[in-house]
Amino acid sequence: DAMVIQNPRYQVTQFGKPVTLSCSQTLNHNVMYWYQQKSSQAPKLLFHYYDKDFNNEADTPDNFQSRRPNTSFCFLDIRSPGLGDTAMYLCATSRVRSGDEKLFFGSGTQLSVL
Amino acid sequence: EDQVTQSPEALRLQEGESSSLNCSYTVSGLRGLFWYRQDPGKGPEFLFTLYSAGEEKEKERLKATLTKKESFLHITAPKPEDSATYLCAVQARGSARQLTFGSGTQLTVLP
Repeated sequence: DAMVIQNPRYQVTQFGKPVTLSCSQTLNHNVMYWYQQKSSQAPKLLFHYYDKDFNNEADTPDNFQSRRPNTSFCFLDIRSPGLGDTAMYLCATSRVRSGDEKLFFGSGTQLSVL
Repeated sequence: EDQVTQSPEALRLQEGESSSLNCSYTVSGLRGLFWYRQDPGKGPEFLFTLYSAGEEKEKERLKATLTKKESFLHITAPKPEDSATYLCAVQARGSARQLTFGSGTQLTVLP
């Protein structure tokens, strides 16, 4: 089945130690998104790629970076994680960026910063 | 700024006890309103998209409705497997405008 796969499911890191989360998709969708969701809160968009075009949200901290080496893969790099970065990180895809396209989400990576 | 408020934050129902979840929104021209279901420890799963006031969509025990200010997700005769967090999101008109999510309603259906 076509899907969005995130690895790892759980990640524990130490304060200030860089961490990379990965996402792959078999849907061949043009757009890939990274969301941050803290406990009992709304998912918050960090950035998205439309093909190779990177779009950063205005309030996304500089600490967060992303790479999309090809259509199928996208990475979230957190350069110096702080305690406040503990959250579920969700990767999502959509076919286009027209606005009325539903998002397909992965199962998320639960990141704990100690 | 687009805003989405969902109520209640949490809802406990007995199996078979119908109810409604509310999503109030403020957006500068609605392009679409989305409902997603999120199970614990998983990513959201798409349920419905509504585009204009008066529109309704149904799927099994769920029915979503839309007015100019809010959307309701009606759950008829729920079962324990309907237990999940239900997220509402809006998208405003304009290119490259992304979804704004609400914080969800956590629904628990007791057997």
